Amino acid sequence: GDSVTQMEGPVTLSEEAFLTINCTYTATGYPSLFWYVQYPGEGLQLLLKATKADDKGSNKGFEATYRKETTSFHLEKGSVQVSDSAVYFCALSDRSGNEKLTFGTGTRLTIIP
Amino acid sequence: ETGVTQTPRHLVMGMTNKKSLKCEQHLGHNAMYWYKQSAKKPLELMFVYSLEERVENNSVPSRFSPECPNSSHLFLHLHTLQPEDSALYLCASSHRGGPGNEQFFGPGTRLTVL
Repeated sequence: GDSVTQMEGPVTLSEEAFLTINCTYTATGYPSLFWYVQYPGEGLQLLLKATKADDKGSNKGFEATYRKETTSFHLEKGSVQVSDSAVYFCALSDRSGNEKLTFGTGTRLTIIP
Repeated sequence: ETGVTQTPRHLVMGMTNKKSLKCEQHLGHNAMYWYKQSAKKPLELMFVYSLEERVENNSVPSRFSPECPNSSHLFLHLHTLQPEDSALYLCASSHRGGPGNEQFFGPGTRLTVL
């Protein structure tokens, strides 16, 4: 079945550092890929997405590129801020029409001033 | 109200109680979901309703009973729960067949079973 593997946390960085959170996936066919973010006490919010190979999703300074050859969708940001502290989830959706998202376990990110 | 709302935000119940969680979406979507979020585990999809019909039930124990009376409302009825059912329960909605199946989440109900 489909699966998503993302880097174990927690990750702690200083403000303005470069961020990478790795995500790889296993799926049949050509899934859509997502990054969701969960701030403390809140539900998940879509951060960015990509629906086909070589697409780059971007939002709020975050980027991720759909790499079919390496089955990866790594999240990057050039200069993190304290307000980026949250839990980040990588997810995929197959195209079978069954409306199902498969999530990774989440990576907790803490940014220190 | 906008987006996806859930009530209550926090719930403490005993193992013999019966309670219900409520979810409402104001986005005009036609699919709704219940997820369970436990510490150190991936989000677990519990139920999917599409066009008000249940399309998936991931082997969830019968002590959890969903109800979807219309496309805007989703309930999760709880009875005789166990302490291991303590978790954050998230509701989500989407437009069936939409690009990339983007789901919008509510803030969740933090459930504690004593």
